[in-house]
Amino acid sequence: AQSVTQLGSHVSVSEGALVLLRCNYSSSVPPYLFWYVQYPNQGLQLLLKYTSAATLVKGINGFEAEFKKSETSFHLTKPSAHMSDAAEYFCAVRVNGGYQKVTFGTGTKLQVIP
Amino acid sequence: GAVVSQHPSRVICKSGTSVKIECRSLDFQATTMFWYRQFPKQSLMLMATSNEGSKATYEQGVEKDKFLINHASLTLSTLTVTSAHPEDSSFYICSARDRRGAGNTEAFFGQGTRLTVV
Repeated sequence: AQSVTQLGSHVSVSEGALVLLRCNYSSSVPPYLFWYVQYPNQGLQLLLKYTSAATLVKGINGFEAEFKKSETSFHLTKPSAHMSDAAEYFCAVRVNGGYQKVTFGTGTKLQVIP
Repeated sequence: GAVVSQHPSRVICKSGTSVKIECRSLDFQATTMFWYRQFPKQSLMLMATSNEGSKATYEQGVEKDKFLINHASLTLSTLTVTSAHPEDSSFYICSARDRRGAGNTEAFFGQGTRLTVV
């Protein structure tokens, strides 16, 4: 079975500060990993994905994540937070085979303080 | 990226009535679509996997007779909440993957439907 764990349901950073959102995964086979962002009452937008190519993945809006197999982690970072980054962020995992369903973490709400 | 359209975005219905939510892939064909439910301040929980031309696969604990799923074409899946009750009030989101996509392609999400049962 596959799963992801997001550490910290709420994270607050000052505008301009580093953003670090943590995600650890569990999978018996090589996983595909994703980070999504959700704004209130909206669907999910893909920020970036890891698909077994480069371990450092760059996404939209200046976000990036590094796949570390030894730590089973896929943490999301951004060097400098912007007010518009305030949203809910979900880490997700998917494995090949079957219907390839996606399993989501519990989410981390990012607050950016001016 | 590909577009998944979900309709309606918001719906309010009376207790005991049924509500249908549509999920359309606008510029690609999707053999498989997924339906999620999200309670306030919680994550997305997969309800069922919708397969074109066959029965949906429901996750454990999801009542198939209450949440009817129809995937009649490669671009449309519908979720019908039958005999809705206030506890069914939630945010429902669908997603779909391009049938031509390689294994590393992601699913695209609709904008969600906020269902309120009064």
